[in-house]
Amino acid sequence: NAGVTQTPKFQVLKTGQSMTLQCAQDMNHEYMSWYRQDPGMGLRLIHYSVGAGITDQGEVPNGYNVSRSTTEDFPLRLLSAAPSQTSVYFCASRARRTGGSNGYTFGSGTRLTVV
Amino acid sequence: GENVEQHPSTLSVQEGDSAVIKCTYSDSASNYFPWYKQELGKGPQLIIDIRSNVGEKKDQRIAVTLNKTAKHFSLHITETQPEDSAVYFCAASMEGTGGFKTIFGAGTRLFVKA
Repeated sequence: NAGVTQTPKFQVLKTGQSMTLQCAQDMNHEYMSWYRQDPGMGLRLIHYSVGAGITDQGEVPNGYNVSRSTTEDFPLRLLSAAPSQTSVYFCASRARRTGGSNGYTFGSGTRLTVV
Repeated sequence: GENVEQHPSTLSVQEGDSAVIKCTYSDSASNYFPWYKQELGKGPQLIIDIRSNVGEKKDQRIAVTLNKTAKHFSLHITETQPEDSAVYFCAASMEGTGGFKTIFGAGTRLFVKA
C-alpha cells in the first residue's frame, strides 16, 4: 500500500516552461487536493477534487490547471512557469466520510524551482 | 471564505515541559479540526483531530480542545520530548453537503531542547 505518490521529487524549470506534477493514490479516496507550501505561509490550497470528473479552485489557483479523469490520479499542470511558483507542492487525499478520524494522507512533496 | 490563524509561529520549550499552540477560525460552519505534524523533508501527518460536537480529545501526551463559541481550538503537548520537534499545522474544514475544502494555519515551529 503506497499511499500518495508524487513525482518528481525535485524539478528546476525555466520561466515560461510548462510541466505536470504527478499525483497518484491507491487508497480509493474520493477527495484529492493540491497545496503549495511557502515559508511563513503554511499550506495554501491550489485546487481540489471531490471525485473523478469534478474539480474546483482553492485559495491560489492562478497559473495552475488540474484534471481528474480517474479516482487514482490528480495531476497538476503549470501552464507557464513563473519564479513566484517556486515552492514545495503537496498532493493529499482523504476518504469521503463525515465521521471519525478523516484527515489527509499527504505525499512526500515536489520541490520546484523556477529560474 | 475560511481563514485560519495560528500562534505562535515559533515555540521553544525545555524537554519535559508542556507546549500549547492556538488557532482561530473565521467560518462558524466549520466542523472538523485536524492537526498535522511535519518533520523535515516530509509531508504533514495527521496526529489528532476533533469534531465540532466534542469539546476535548486526548491521545496519550497530545490533547486538543475546541471552543466553538469563540472559534478557538488548541493543541496541547505534555511531557515534551526532542522527537516532538517539528512544524505543527492546524486546519479547519466544513464537512457534509458543503464539501470538504480544508484550510490550514501558517504553522508553528516547535523546538524541544534536551
